[in-house]
Amino acid sequence: ETGVTQTPRHLVMGMTNKKSLKCEQHLGHNAMYWYKQSAKKPLELMFVYSLEERVENNSVPSRFSPECPNSSHLFLHLHTLQPEDSALYLCASSQAYWQVGPEAFFGQGTRLTVV
Amino acid sequence: KQEVTQIPAALSVPEGENLVLNCSFTDSAIYNLQWFRQDPGKGLTSLLLIQSSQREQTSGRLNASLDKSSGRSTLYIAASQPGDSATYLCAVRGYILTGGGNKLTFGTGTQLKVEL
Repeated sequence: ETGVTQTPRHLVMGMTNKKSLKCEQHLGHNAMYWYKQSAKKPLELMFVYSLEERVENNSVPSRFSPECPNSSHLFLHLHTLQPEDSALYLCASSQAYWQVGPEAFFGQGTRLTVV
Repeated sequence: KQEVTQIPAALSVPEGENLVLNCSFTDSAIYNLQWFRQDPGKGLTSLLLIQSSQREQTSGRLNASLDKSSGRSTLYIAASQPGDSATYLCAVRGYILTGGGNKLTFGTGTQLKVEL
């Protein structure tokens, strides 16, 4: 248990559905991250939030919409996804984004399948 | 652009064997390097974090080394056990030129199987 909790653990959705992934941490961290892990590819950083403000968006399609209502919670809203978006979505947190080299803690991930 | 490579992609060893996993990175301007373990379909568990000024870190049967100038790190696992079977990921943290902050860049991992 790393202190970062993701729900749901598994999600199957149709291409016309709207769903949300949730991430929660009570480690007192100020930075939260969404990563995508596809088969045979390195983890790809999608979004970074620092102090509830989005500081990085790595050319992610608009069908993925992040939300950070407070420093403990991070959401990823999904709509009109494509089958190639099927992947393991990982949330992570760290003490601070602007701090040099903070250790990252990861959640268990949400396995998303788009049908 | 930082690129991280891990060799081998997969490894199968008998129980009790000592083994070495390799990680190389193209840009030596890093803050630190982190080794993670990932069980199938699960999240990442941090194993060791080596700061750029350090040469190695040890935790139990694990020893990670860092040669920043040559862009290499190794993870040594002593007396391997079936419970060590997992994917091992290497990630380097470097500076983001635009907007500041720092970023983890991951390798594709080494899938390890330790057999009885």
